[in-house]
Amino acid sequence: DGGITQSPKYLFRKEGQNVTLSCEQNLNHDAMYWYRQDPGQGLRLIYYSQIVNDFQKGDIAEGYSVSREKKESFPLTVTSAQKNPTAFYLCASKGQGVRTEAFFGQGTRLTVV
Amino acid sequence: AQSVTQPDIHITVSEGASLELRCNYSYGATPYLFWYVQSPGQGLQLLLKYFSGDTLVQGIKGFEAEFKRSQSSFNLRKPSVHWSDAAEYFCAVGALTGGGNKLTFGTGTQLKVEL
Repeated sequence: DGGITQSPKYLFRKEGQNVTLSCEQNLNHDAMYWYRQDPGQGLRLIYYSQIVNDFQKGDIAEGYSVSREKKESFPLTVTSAQKNPTAFYLCASKGQGVRTEAFFGQGTRLTVV
Repeated sequence: AQSVTQPDIHITVSEGASLELRCNYSYGATPYLFWYVQSPGQGLQLLLKYFSGDTLVQGIKGFEAEFKRSQSSFNLRKPSVHWSDAAEYFCAVGALTGGGNKLTFGTGTQLKVEL
């Protein structure tokens, strides 16, 4: 079955540590996205990528980094510079052009302990 | 830059009653609009989308939405709500930017259904 897989579903991080969230898709989509979701704030765009080896900062990129070495994969690293990393993180992918919808993974809940 | 406003944070309706969730967008060109639904702790599922043509679009689960350019709105409706419709609903606008296709979401409306 085609889809987007995020792992792990739950992640705990100690303060000062970097952690990497995985996102893999087998939909052959060119575009991939990372969103952060906090209660009452909707989905805020962290980074997005249209093609391999290229990505753009979204609205809240500070404290995060990404890579896009393969079309299928778009991992997100939450660095120690992110002051408030506890949140629900959603990955999405999308076909070419604006006339396509985004498909979402099931999310990763990150908690700083 | 594009933006989406969902003015209602929470809405409560009785099962069987009609529903309308409001969405206003801001975008300088032709908008590409979406409604998504999210159950707790899950990803988002597409309900419907508008790209062009007929301004009344039908989606899954009996939902529909009407695009009104003059009001910059894309409100979601359902004639008769079921208890299983309780979830969070997000409106989104897609736009072509210098960096590619950017999808911007509203803050969401939490729907509660009373039995």
